[in-house]
Amino acid sequence: NAGVMQNPRHLVRRRGQEARLRCSPMKGHSHVYWYRQLPEEGLKFMVYLQKENIIDESGMPKERFSAEFPKEGPSILRIQQVVRGDSAAYFCASSPISGVEGMNTEAFFGQGTRLTVV
Amino acid sequence: DQQVKQNSPSLSVQEGRISILNCDYTNSMFDYFLWYKKYPAEGPTFLISISSIKDKNEDGRFTVFLNKSAKHLSLHIVPSQPGDSAVYFCAASARTTGAGSYQLTFGKGTKLSVIP
Repeated sequence: NAGVMQNPRHLVRRRGQEARLRCSPMKGHSHVYWYRQLPEEGLKFMVYLQKENIIDESGMPKERFSAEFPKEGPSILRIQQVVRGDSAAYFCASSPISGVEGMNTEAFFGQGTRLTVV
Repeated sequence: DQQVKQNSPSLSVQEGRISILNCDYTNSMFDYFLWYKKYPAEGPTFLISISSIKDKNEDGRFTVFLNKSAKHLSLHIVPSQPGDSAVYFCAASARTTGAGSYQLTFGKGTKLSVIP
């Protein structure tokens, strides 16, 4: 049972280009979370998705960022017209059920995608 | 406004001794706390958790203590081993108390170095 798979591991983009980050959750997990870690900072929540639904995107910047989790295929975090400040490590996590049910369910993290904007 | 604070950016401990990592939180809605361990260039790995109905949870060499009145938790590692050298993140969520219960709020991390 493979863990959470993120690709690419490293991504270099020039300012103004688009970045697409992919995340395949663990088998049997239907909840996906994206976090961003800036240098010298902790992980910051961005968005929570279930299949075909965005549940909470309160941590996402209002412009240029979008996320999806289609019925088939991986979850995608898309950043349009990247700027230097977007350079960070982006981590995806998945869980089988959400914490809303009050269950002590841990989220399992992928290895992250390190985005560098030059 | 940092809701989860890890005030020590780094900690060095001799192999075999106890490592104590501290974490403070400000949001009284938090009722579930987790510790994650992170090696360079890897994702965080879940280590241990504690619900607010408990004050202690133990798993092998790792014990987490929760002091709700002080809004403080700590991770004890005994005995410390060189392989424990990593960045440790404290995280919290409001699992049963409100909206966003699935969100984890992370501290900035403490880098633990265990010296052989």
